[in-house]
Amino acid sequence: KAGVTQTPRYLIKTRGQQVTLSCSPISGHRSVSWYQQTPGQGLQFLFEYFSETQRNKGNFPGRFSGRQFSNSRSEMNVSTLELGDSALYLCASSLAGQPYNSPLHFGNGTRLTVT
Amino acid sequence: GDSVTQMEGPVTLSEEAFLTINCTYTATGYPSLFWYVQYPGEGLQLLLKATKADDKGSNKGFEATYRKETTSFHLEKGSVQVSDSAVYFCALNSGGRGGADGLTFGKGTHLIIQP
Repeated sequence: KAGVTQTPRYLIKTRGQQVTLSCSPISGHRSVSWYQQTPGQGLQFLFEYFSETQRNKGNFPGRFSGRQFSNSRSEMNVSTLELGDSALYLCASSLAGQPYNSPLHFGNGTRLTVT
Repeated sequence: GDSVTQMEGPVTLSEEAFLTINCTYTATGYPSLFWYVQYPGEGLQLLLKATKADDKGSNKGFEATYRKETTSFHLEKGSVQVSDSAVYFCALNSGGRGGADGLTFGKGTHLIIQP
C-alpha cells in the first residue's frame, strides 16, 4: 500500500509570491491534516479536511488555506509568502480523522524556502 | 491552551542502555496521548498511544504510561539499539467534538544510540 505522497519535495520561492503544495493520502483515508514544522516552533497544526470539508483549523493567518478533492487528495496554498513561512510542511492522512481512534500517517513533507 | 514539554536533546546513549524520555503536558479535559517517531529520511510514524488515565501504550519494546496525576507520559525502553536512533515526539489530542482538532506536539527529542 502506497504511503502518503507529498509533492514537490523542495520549493524555493520569493517573498510575496504564492505557493501550492500537494498531498495524496493513503488509499481509503478520508481525512487529511496539514502541519508546519520549524526549528523554533516545532510541529504546529494548520488544518484538517474530511470529505472535502475543513473540519478544524489551527492558529494561522488567512494566507494559509487548503482544500480537499473528491478523491481525498489535498492541496495547501500560502499566499503573499513571508520569510517566516520557510518550513517543512507535513501532510498526514487517517481513516476516520480522529487521532485517538485511528493513527495519523505522515508524508515526508515539502521543504519550503522563502528568500 | 494545550502544550507538551519534552527534553530536546540530543540524548546520546550506548547500545543496551535504559532509555527514558520525559514528557509532561497541559490540556483541557482528558486528552489522548501519543508518541511519534521520525527515523532519518522518513516521515513521522505512530509509536504508541494511550487514551485514558493509567493506560499503558507499548510497541517495539517501548512503553509509556498515561499518568493523569502528574500529567506525564514518559517514554521508556529497557535496552536500546542503534536502530532506535531517531527523533521522538510526544503529542496530545484533547478533541472530542467529533472532528480531529489536530495534535499538539512537543519539540521532539533527538536520540542517538552509539554502538
